Amino acid sequence: GDSVTQMEGPVTLSEEAFLTINCTYTATGYPSLFWYVQYPGEGLQLLLKATKADDKGSNKGFEATYRKETTSFHLEKGSVQVSDSAVYFCALESNYQLIWGAGTKLIIKP
Amino acid sequence: GAVVSQHPSWVICKSGTSVKIECRSLDFQATTMFWYRQFPKQSLMLMATSNEGSKATYEQGVEKDKFLINHASLTLSTLTVTSAHPEDSSFYICSATTAPFGELFFGEGSRLTVL
Repeated sequence: GDSVTQMEGPVTLSEEAFLTINCTYTATGYPSLFWYVQYPGEGLQLLLKATKADDKGSNKGFEATYRKETTSFHLEKGSVQVSDSAVYFCALESNYQLIWGAGTKLIIKP
Repeated sequence: GAVVSQHPSWVICKSGTSVKIECRSLDFQATTMFWYRQFPKQSLMLMATSNEGSKATYEQGVEKDKFLINHASLTLSTLTVTSAHPEDSSFYICSATTAPFGELFFGEGSRLTVL
């Protein structure tokens, strides 16, 4: 079945460091891909999405490119801030449902 | 963005009792609501999908008689954990959408602890 694999956390970085959180997927067809973020004490919210190959989703300085050839959707940010500390979930849409990765906790130290 | 509110955010109950969790879309009409369960250090597990005015569709392995879902209006869905046991302790999250696969808006989650 369809699945999403993302790197285990926690990922700990210093402020202004470059961030990459890896996400790879297995799916039949061409699913839409998403990154969701869950800040401490808050609900999940959509961070960015891409609906077809080579699309780049971007929001709040984060970017992810839909790579069909490597079945990946890695999340990147050039310079992280303390306020980016959260849990990040990669997900794909399959048959009108979301298949979730396990989540990666990101800790940014000042 | 659209707001989805869950209540209560934290509940503690005794084993054998039933607990109801509400999920409300505050500023939009949600044709479809989803209920998830999140275990510590694990991803979200979809429990069921509910459409307004119809019976919920449960995922394989989820006991529909134990987790009762009602979606009586376009702004409210409820999850009732019946005869709760300690293994039902978890973080329950709802999400809502206005279209078959429109953007999902998530509630803050409800933490259930069964003693």
